Amino acid sequence: GQQLNQSPQSMFIQEGEDVSMNCTSSSIFNTWLWYKQDPGEGPVLLIALYKAGELTSNGRLTAQFGITRKDSFLNISASIPSDVGIYFCAGVRAPGYALNFGKGTSLLVTP
Amino acid sequence: DAGITQSPRHKVTETGTPVTLRCHQTENHRYMYWYRQDPGHGLRLIHYSYGVKDTDKGEVSDGYSVSRSKTEDFLLTLESATSSQTSVYFCAISRGGQNEQFFGPGTRLTVL
Repeated sequence: GQQLNQSPQSMFIQEGEDVSMNCTSSSIFNTWLWYKQDPGEGPVLLIALYKAGELTSNGRLTAQFGITRKDSFLNISASIPSDVGIYFCAGVRAPGYALNFGKGTSLLVTP
Repeated sequence: DAGITQSPRHKVTETGTPVTLRCHQTENHRYMYWYRQDPGHGLRLIHYSYGVKDTDKGEVSDGYSVSRSKTEDFLLTLESATSSQTSVYFCAISRGGQNEQFFGPGTRLTVL
């Protein structure tokens, strides 16, 4: 499987700030997924993107499927302490195929 | 909640011993996956299953075998555990025809 390039590796921000992270690949994917993982738990799906150019929101989270189908972006607005965790992007080509993961962005939010 | 449980949640074992991890789902999904998560490598696929008795290898399958005799259970076996298999293991499921995968809580395995 291909490892995706996810950046930044870590972010340390103040409560209320907006956050942006992105993921790039040398291959095309048909679906982009964004997960959040809390310590000691499994990744939890936040947003799924199915179409190039698609922009999807889930509360304070907004994600976009890049036009080239080789990248995706996740924005978190007005961060709060419970946003702390590791965020992973994942690309997948078709149902039943493995997810290709980025290495994660570790987010720390100070009150 | 995708109805996925993993057991055990934590295990410490010695090099050379066999280990079996269990993934159990309650929603009758066709596809099940085993991943391992390591610092610096993220999540990598070990094996997956697309139905009862139908399994295939993933990216890091050496040293692992799997079995699926019932829809709800997917077992991962380390025939002879090595220290390089110390990791956190996650099971995932996907619903038929969908690309999204949903993860279990994980099993932390330490091989001494």
